[in-house]
Amino acid sequence: KAGVTQTPRYLIKTRGQQVTLSCSPISGHRSVSWYQQTPGQGLQFLFEYFSETQRNKGNFPGRFSGRQFSNSRSEMNVSTLELGDSALYLCASSPLEGSHSPLHFGNGTRLTVT
Amino acid sequence: QKEVEQNSGPLSVPEGAIASLNCTYSDRGSQSFFWYRQYSGKSPELIMFIYSNGDKEDGRFTAQLNKASQYVSLLIRDSQPSDSATYLCAVNDYGQNFVFGPGTRLSVLP
Repeated sequence: KAGVTQTPRYLIKTRGQQVTLSCSPISGHRSVSWYQQTPGQGLQFLFEYFSETQRNKGNFPGRFSGRQFSNSRSEMNVSTLELGDSALYLCASSPLEGSHSPLHFGNGTRLTVT
Repeated sequence: QKEVEQNSGPLSVPEGAIASLNCTYSDRGSQSFFWYRQYSGKSPELIMFIYSNGDKEDGRFTAQLNKASQYVSLLIRDSQPSDSATYLCAVNDYGQNFVFGPGTRLSVLP
């Protein structure tokens, strides 16, 4: 079974631009979560989608948004990029809602904002 | 604010020794507990998870959970240099609300 696939792997953007990251979950997984990882802050939860609905949202500004499609694929968008948005963005999927199922992470997208 | 705490390390152990990684959490409603390993520049990979009090063994790894003390640990027996990584503790309250600790950096010295 293929793992979680994130594209692109690397991105370089300038301040003020916007970016869209993509995530394809493991087949059959309906929950997709996004995390931001930086050396100083560790893994910070962005949001979680299940069946095209955002169920949970972390403490990030409205510049960060996401969506999930009917095939469970998800996208994350960051508008008006700031230098502090430079980070590794990780997508994770899990099969069931409200279960003990662990998260399975993709390889991440490393975003650099200059 | 739900919190998960870990000693950031680095924790250095000699090859062949037992590495002990600890994690405490603040939310008594937490239901499931996970350990992830993350190599530098890579994404986290699941090592094991535990739901019930007590020990759970998987190969060289043993997870220990004590809900009364809000404490979960990971023991790595016969540590190898390839075990050198950052270990992340994660806690879930059954609502897919995962909270991750800051991670403990483990260094296994040959």
